[in-house]
Amino acid sequence: KNQVEQSPQSLIILEGKNCTLQCNYTVSPFSNLRWYKQDTGRGPVSLTIMTFSENTKSNGRYTATLDADTKQSSLHITASQLSDSASYICVVINNNAGNMLTFGGGTRLMVKP
Amino acid sequence: DVKVTQSSRYLVKRTGEKVFLECVQDMDHENMFWYRQDPGLGLRLIYFSYDVKMKEKGDIPEGYSVSREKKERFSLILESASTNQTSMYLCASRSSQGSGANVLTFGAGSRLTVL
Repeated sequence: KNQVEQSPQSLIILEGKNCTLQCNYTVSPFSNLRWYKQDTGRGPVSLTIMTFSENTKSNGRYTATLDADTKQSSLHITASQLSDSASYICVVINNNAGNMLTFGGGTRLMVKP
Repeated sequence: DVKVTQSSRYLVKRTGEKVFLECVQDMDHENMFWYRQDPGLGLRLIYFSYDVKMKEKGDIPEGYSVSREKKERFSLILESASTNQTSMYLCASRSSQGSGANVLTFGAGSRLTVL
């Protein structure tokens, strides 16, 4: 069964600190992995996409990594800001005709001043 | 700026009422989706549609139906709302071609409370 597990479930950090969110998946065949940020009461917005051949990709203070061998991805946030407080969702897409998506449960991040 | 628009941000309905949640996208996407999102359960797929007048059941279709009469519009219908359908409902769309097939664009969500 295709699954995406995220950890931790929730996280509280102080403003300015770094943090790393984890995503483990069992989706097969793998096409790509995407991280979404969802602010409270809003729909998810895409942060970055990782394809099979990519190991690291940065988008400002966000850096995503992918290890296709161990089927793990991480999202590292540098110098956190209050506006980083949100849920972060990992989504893995199948490499089949349906391109079906499997969602992780999300990590809820709270950045405190 | 491409958009997925959900008509109602907040709704409060009574048990047994019929509920319509509307979703419109302006990206000419073939694929449209309805998810519900609940704490601890993440996003769960209710129904999706690959084309006009086509619909497929997702993981939790019970108690819901959908309508896709036009390409840009995908409606979620609760024939007789129940309290366990209190949730955040998210509509999304994506292209069926090329790299666009990997990009899912979400609406802002509709928070439904059934009393």
